[in-house]
Amino acid sequence: DAKTTQPPSMDCAEGRAANLPCNHSTISGNEYVYWYRQIHSQGPQYIIHGLKNNETNEMASLIITEDRKSSTLILPHATLRDTAVYYCIVRVAGAGNMLTFGGGTRLMVKP
Amino acid sequence: DTAVSQTPKYLVTQMGNDKSIKCEQNLGHDTMYWYKQDSKKFLKIMFSYNNKELIINETVPNRFSPKSPDKAHLNLHINSLELGDSAVYFCASSHAAGNEKLFFGSGTQLSVL
Repeated sequence: DAKTTQPPSMDCAEGRAANLPCNHSTISGNEYVYWYRQIHSQGPQYIIHGLKNNETNEMASLIITEDRKSSTLILPHATLRDTAVYYCIVRVAGAGNMLTFGGGTRLMVKP
Repeated sequence: DTAVSQTPKYLVTQMGNDKSIKCEQNLGHDTMYWYKQDSKKFLKIMFSYNNKELIINETVPNRFSPKSPDKAHLNLHINSLELGDSAVYFCASSHAAGNEKLFFGSGTQLSVL
């Protein structure tokens, strides 16, 4: 799996967009970018994933740069309940080996 | 209905004891996993189990053993508990092995005294 780099923590004002960056400069052509989050005292929750096109679902948007070396997870209108640790994971889909989590970004949404 | 459920939520026990944590998923998934989250909050994969094929993270002590009575259950047995086993243990499932959309349980906080 490609190595990812995320800032350890970020703050965001409630109601504003939260933009969480992830660097994955060694990503290879068949590796996807996955995002999970872990709200305090809960299990991780899948958010979104993508290969090279931007993706959007009911939870978030994923913007992947053209060279695929970095991506940004966007929570368009952050709420207090979005306070969590956000994990960016890069790996080949269906690789068969087990999903591993790094340190993630601790997002604090403030009123 | 909770998709992935674990019991118990909290487990406090003495060193040297043997304990089990149960996990059940009602999603019809083929693959189940156990993860350990230590006090520094790092999530580490322990096991992956799919159609009776067990994949073990080589760093997991053999005191830990998963047992799967059927596709919907993957229980975690721990023998001779040690202080360092204190952590939160998460069960997860996915549609197939290598499918990266995992569904996690709410965790079992194990405290070894």
